[in-house]
Amino acid sequence: QQKVQQSPESLTVSEGAMASLNCTFSDGTSNNFRWYRQHSAKGLEVLVSIFSDGEKEEGRFTAHLNRANLHVSLHIREPQPSDSAVYLCAVSNTNKVVFGTGTRLQVLP
Amino acid sequence: DMKVTQMPRYLIKRMGENVLLECGQDMSHETMYWYRQDPGLGLQLIYISYDVDSNSEGDIPKGYRVSRKKREHFSLILDSAKTNQTSVYFCASSQDRGNYAEQFFGPGTRLTVL
Repeated sequence: QQKVQQSPESLTVSEGAMASLNCTFSDGTSNNFRWYRQHSAKGLEVLVSIFSDGEKEEGRFTAHLNRANLHVSLHIREPQPSDSAVYLCAVSNTNKVVFGTGTRLQVLP
Repeated sequence: DMKVTQMPRYLIKRMGENVLLECGQDMSHETMYWYRQDPGLGLQLIYISYDVDSNSEGDIPKGYRVSRKKREHFSLILDSAKTNQTSVYFCASSQDRGNYAEQFFGPGTRLTVL
């Protein structure tokens, strides 16, 4: 059964410093990966979707996928206090979508 | 403006009471989902609906049932709520039915069962 783990559980960065979040998965046949952001008391919004090894950029958000290492990361360039939220990765294979438990990011002004 | 709405946003019920959570979407999406989110467990799929009256169990369907009589509405029903059903419930919809489809999420309903 697919296991999706995110690290760190929480992360504090200063405004403008790069924030890096990690997600590891157990099923090497997974081929669809998404990063979501969840603000308090709000739903999830998709930030970036990536389907092949390499990187995918959407504005200040860049996902890096390395399926051989079972790893997908999210890098946030020039984070702002409004980026403070919980970030979830979602990993899909042919059977299902599995969500990680999230990384809580705090961006200090 | 594409959106998924959920009502109510907050709900407090006593154990044994019935609970109705409502979800709506204005994107004409065929597929809709109900999840619950608990600390340390991430999002868990309760039910998935592929269209009107076409519903399938997710990973944790026990204690829940769903109803989808119109494409734009999907309801989650708890008959005789239990304290362990205290959680945040999210509804989502997607244009496609596959596991690779991008899901659009509502704002969530925080349910407390006393």
